[in-house]
Amino acid sequence: DTGVSQNPRHKITKRGQNVTFRCDPISEHNRLYWYRQTLGQGPEFLTYFQNEAQLEKSRLLSDRFSAERPKGSFSTLEIQRTEQGDSAMYLCASSPSSLAVDTQYFGPGTRLTVL
Amino acid sequence: AQSVTQLDSQVPVFEEAPVELRCNYSSSVSVYLFWYVQYPNQGLQLLLKYLSGSTLVKGINGFEAEFNKSQTSFHLRKPSVHISDTAEYFCAVTPPGGGNKLTFGTGTQLKVEL
Repeated sequence: DTGVSQNPRHKITKRGQNVTFRCDPISEHNRLYWYRQTLGQGPEFLTYFQNEAQLEKSRLLSDRFSAERPKGSFSTLEIQRTEQGDSAMYLCASSPSSLAVDTQYFGPGTRLTVL
Repeated sequence: AQSVTQLDSQVPVFEEAPVELRCNYSSSVSVYLFWYVQYPNQGLQLLLKYLSGSTLVKGINGFEAEFNKSQTSFHLRKPSVHISDTAEYFCAVTPPGGGNKLTFGTGTQLKVEL
């Protein structure tokens, strides 16, 4: 169990560019979550997967955001045409099962800065 | 919808003193409650959770929390803090059957001083 890993840890980009983040969950964890955390705020839910199926997307997730988990293992979060308001820490979490409630294990996050 | 309020953005405390971090929630349905800790440059780590049963929940690192349904609160306490407890603490809720997606408060920065 190596924990949830996220890459890159930091990303600086110019407004209008596309960026992609990767999350590798703990092995055999069925559920994978994406959250966004801005300065001085708690994490906000963006979307989650059960295996390869994306089950829910927050209203925070505009059309410029897309997430995938093609084989039910790692996941990617892409932001197209980045805006300065997208600057935040993007957190990934995984949980071992689809039980009603289960502990989520968080990665260290990817900090995005849009200039 | 659920919401979580952590009124104290910062709590300074001396080492070996007791501390209480406050959390209140609002929900039209019953919820499960969590406390997470975030150390600098690290991911969120679960301290404890309340699902059902005894309202006093014990977690890691000597922390405990008490669920109070009438006051819709889930305050976190530790009888004697250590320098290493300096971190940001987040209270979170999720409703049963809600996909387990968490709604977090804005966090409380605990600063332990010598």
